Parts: sequence; C-alpha cells; structure tokens
Amino acid sequence: DADVTQTPRNRITKTGKRIMLECSQTKGHDRMYWYRQDPGLGLRLIYYSFDVKDINKGEISDGYSVSRQAQAKFSLSLESAIPNQTALYFCATSRQMNTEAFFGQGTRLTVV
Amino acid sequence: RKEVEQDPGPFNVPEGATVAFNCTYSNSASQSFFWYRQDCRKEPKLLMSVYSSGNEDGRFTAQLNRASQYISLLIRDSKLSDSATYLCVVNPGNQGGKLIFGQGTELSVKP
Repeated sequence: DADVTQTPRNRITKTGKRIMLECSQTKGHDRMYWYRQDPGLGLRLIYYSFDVKDINKGEISDGYSVSRQAQAKFSLSLESAIPNQTALYFCATSRQMNTEAFFGQGTRLTVV
Repeated sequence: RKEVEQDPGPFNVPEGATVAFNCTYSNSASQSFFWYRQDCRKEPKLLMSVYSSGNEDGRFTAQLNRASQYISLLIRDSKLSDSATYLCVVNPGNQGGKLIFGQGTELSVKP
C-alpha cells in the first residue's frame, strides 16, 4: 500500500460544483502539502500545513480551501469548480524542514 | 524571474550517452536541494538529494554551486529507462520548509 494515498484518482465534475480531494498518509509526517501540476508550469503550491489545524497559503490558493483535522489527513476543496482548475493534483508529506517530500499518486481533475 | 529555472528540453539522446541538466535558483538563502524524477503523469519521486560537496549514486552525479546558485545533474551511460522528466527542487529555507519546483527537464533516451 502507498504511504501517501489520494482519493479519488480521477474525477470529472461540472462547473460550479463543490469537490473535495482527500489525502491520507501513514508516514507519521507533520508536514503536508497540496500541489497542482499543469503542462509547462511545473508543480505549484496551493496550501500547506505543518501541524494539525495549521494552514498556510501557497502561491495559488485562490479558489481553494483546505482542512487539517488530523495528522494523517489533509483535504483540499474546490468550493465552486471552474474549468481552469482542470489539472493534476498532488498531495505530499515531509518529515521536517530540510527533508525531501513524498508524493501521493495524484488526482486527475477535469472541470467541464 | 522564476525562483527555480530549468531548461525544459526535450533532450533527445542515444543510449549510452552522457547528459547533463542544469538548474538555477534565485534565493541565496536556500538550504536544501533535490532532484526528482517524474514519469509521464505519475507522482514525482526523489532521485537524489544534492549536497554542497557533490554526491554520486551509480550513474548519477549531482553538484551544487552556491556561489553561482545552480545545481546540476549528470547522467552517464544513459538507459532507455532513464526517459522521464527531471525536476529540480529547492527548499528556500526562509519559507517554512516548503519546496519550490522547477518546471522540469524532459529526457528521451533512444535506442
């Protein structure tokens, strides 16, 4: 089983719908991240959390919200999805500040 | 200027070739550096960390030049299985530990 698990793996949703992406980890890491990846733009940070109930905005947080109610879980919500939020979304965790990140398998989201 | 910049490629090389990727970063306070590998639309996976003294792992060598603020990755004796996108990743150090990704360099190794 993967150490960082994302659900769903694929999702198609309509413009204006609310959608939640879930991330859970068994690595025991405090730090969790949500990134999105678009062709030619690399991975961009949406939100990150260093502890339960700690929430920090990344470079592209508009239109997204997150929740960190437990160490192992970090969820990303799109309150009202729009087509330009179509992307590949990755959750990641890290143990401490200068260490590498471990990624989930990604969620491919399409907003039509 | 982007915080982390890479040549997007693609680099098309024959099997057995040596190929080098460079990456520059803008924040001189950056503290840790990594190379990740990403296969087509899959999750990035750590290839190697990059240390000030340089480090080698089999056919892969990573170098860090703090004065010039660049990182390099050298792949010797390229294999078909090395075909992937290589991501340069920097921890700026003064931003709470989050990682900044370059856009990636695509490598295609041909028979």
